[in-house]
Amino acid sequence: GENVEQHPSTLSVQEGDSAVIKCTYSDSASNYFPWYKQELGKGPQLIIDIRSNVGEKKDQRIAVTLNKTAKHFSLHITETQPEDSAVYFCAASKPTGNQFYFGTGTSLTVIP
Amino acid sequence: NAGVTQTPKFRILKIGQSMTLQCTQDMNHNYMYWYRQDPGMGLKLIYYSVGAGITDKGEVPNGYNVSRSTTEDFPLRLELAAPSQTSVYFCATGGGGLREKLFFGSGTQLSVL
Repeated sequence: GENVEQHPSTLSVQEGDSAVIKCTYSDSASNYFPWYKQELGKGPQLIIDIRSNVGEKKDQRIAVTLNKTAKHFSLHITETQPEDSAVYFCAASKPTGNQFYFGTGTSLTVIP
Repeated sequence: NAGVTQTPKFRILKIGQSMTLQCTQDMNHNYMYWYRQDPGMGLKLIYYSVGAGITDKGEVPNGYNVSRSTTEDFPLRLELAAPSQTSVYFCATGGGGLREKLFFGSGTQLSVL
């Protein structure tokens, strides 16, 4: 299988500061790494993803970095806003099979 | 275009009761998934389907059953509810070139007492 670990479990930042969430994975065959945002009472929603042939990807205030050698990837949110407050999940999947392996989630609170 | 619709949103069951969680999608996606979410445990895959008539077990299938008679519907059945099945259940889809991008429903919160 695959084991995805996510840290920290909770994170509080002041509005305007940056937030970083880190994940590690165990199976070097994993090649796709999405990040999901879950707002209260809703299902997770994909916010950004990265494939193993890319080291970094940006989309406005969010970015994801991948270190294949160390088997870890991170989510970076800059200029945080109160609406960024949510639970964030990382995940990993392999080119074969149909399973996604999720981290345990990070509850982000942005303090106005 | 409703996306992924789950019903009911909330349910309380007594131990030993049965129920079916409904999931329907209008995105014409082949892939459908059922996850459960427990506090501090992330999302665990229960069952998945790669198309009508095809289902397979995920990480935590015990106590559940599924069927996939149409592309649109993927119901999850609990036959003999147990307290360990208290959780939030999410249905998700993925399809075609977007197979790897999951689209989730809004969830069903189930309590077994």
